[in-house]
Amino acid sequence: SQQGEEDPQALSIQEGENATMNCSYKTSINNLQWYRQNSGRGLVHLILIRSNEREKHSGRLRVTLDTSKKSSSLLITASRAADTASYFCATDEGDYKLSFGAGTTVTVRA
Amino acid sequence: GAVVSQHPSRVICKSGTSVKIECRSLDFQATTMFWYRQFPKQSLMLMATSNEGSKATYEQGVEKDKFLINHASLTLSTLTVTSAHPEDSSFYICSARDAGGQETQYFGPGTRLLVL
Repeated sequence: SQQGEEDPQALSIQEGENATMNCSYKTSINNLQWYRQNSGRGLVHLILIRSNEREKHSGRLRVTLDTSKKSSSLLITASRAADTASYFCATDEGDYKLSFGAGTTVTVRA
Repeated sequence: GAVVSQHPSRVICKSGTSVKIECRSLDFQATTMFWYRQFPKQSLMLMATSNEGSKATYEQGVEKDKFLINHASLTLSTLTVTSAHPEDSSFYICSARDAGGQETQYFGPGTRLLVL
């Protein structure tokens, strides 16, 4: 079942700007993961943050997790045209089954 | 990094026929694979969990006789859509979890099914 909600649903930014998207969920989790999906393609794993972590970085990506608010954010810094994609958060409650959010479609304008 | 393949990538079939989709982990062993479906511009919905050597576990609302899952080896799971109908047209994506116990799942490229 789908447990997460993401906002915004869509985001359009200029190349070089930062993009921030948020994810909220409802239950206790073991970890939260962010994925990217290019149109009509499979998912690419971006980053995993565990429930006992508050922030994680990977290259131009920064993820935060606030378990008290049941929310997470993904920040993409210095965006590029190649970052144009849909981004999904997914929660793992500890049984490895992922519940995906609705996704945020990001368009980076050159 | 770990690679998961799916075959076929696209399939068009007539209503009433059955379609088999394969999901393979290419460079690691996967005791658990997952099958998702995704409708256009929507999120992924988990259909079932496929465990090597045992029966699949289906999510609520997913017909197990309609979507047959077989996980015969540590590197292969198959999803068969039986007696397909136009409403089964969707994007089917599998993922695999490394038997080494890591939390990360690796996703296949997806299979687009169109039932006429």
